[in-house]
Amino acid sequence: ILNVEQSPQSLHVQEGDSTNFTCSFPSSNFYALHWYRWETAKSPEALFVMTLNGDEKKKGRISATLNTKEGYSYLYIKGSQPEDSATYLCAPITGANNLFFGTGTRLTVIP
Amino acid sequence: EAQVTQNPRYLITVTGKKLTVTCSQNMNHEYMSWYRQDPGLGLRQIYYSMNVEVTDKGDVPEGYKVSRKEKRNFPLILESPSPNQTSLYFCASSSPGLILTFGSGTRLTVV
Repeated sequence: ILNVEQSPQSLHVQEGDSTNFTCSFPSSNFYALHWYRWETAKSPEALFVMTLNGDEKKKGRISATLNTKEGYSYLYIKGSQPEDSATYLCAPITGANNLFFGTGTRLTVIP
Repeated sequence: EAQVTQNPRYLITVTGKKLTVTCSQNMNHEYMSWYRQDPGLGLRQIYYSMNVEVTDKGDVPEGYKVSRKEKRNFPLILESPSPNQTSLYFCASSSPGLILTFGSGTRLTVV
């Protein structure tokens, strides 16, 4: 079992605001980190796969950074829109090739 | 279409009546996994499988069994369901280290 912490647990932002949240994980035996977006009543969908220290990935208004030495990843959303409302999950993968999900950050964007 | 198929989508059963939730993938993925989602607890892993005939316990395996007799199928078996197994269940698959593809979920209620 891997101790994966995501913060905050939930947040509400106004439409147009930018926001970010954190995923913390043990830095030893790191292999890769996934970010998933999970809308209510749907299945989780992958956003990013990150492997290298210093990695930065971008998909439209969403981007993520990775620090494997200190064991954290940030997810940023620029100019939040109501359709960004979802739970964002991070999942580090260990050298054993199994991944462990954090409890997620639930984002609500208020129009 | 590449997909993970779970059945049934919804199931209401009584305590102690054995049930199986099926999961099948058509992507030739080696890795398959079962998760349960409960409010405030995120996705918790029940069992996972790295390949045919290789299964391992996740975070919350008690009360569940799995089998991986062939690559495409990974059924979840509840020998004697109890009300605390009422939850939303997801099956997922991937190639090692790569993004997970999730099934549509099974909402199980045990009364």
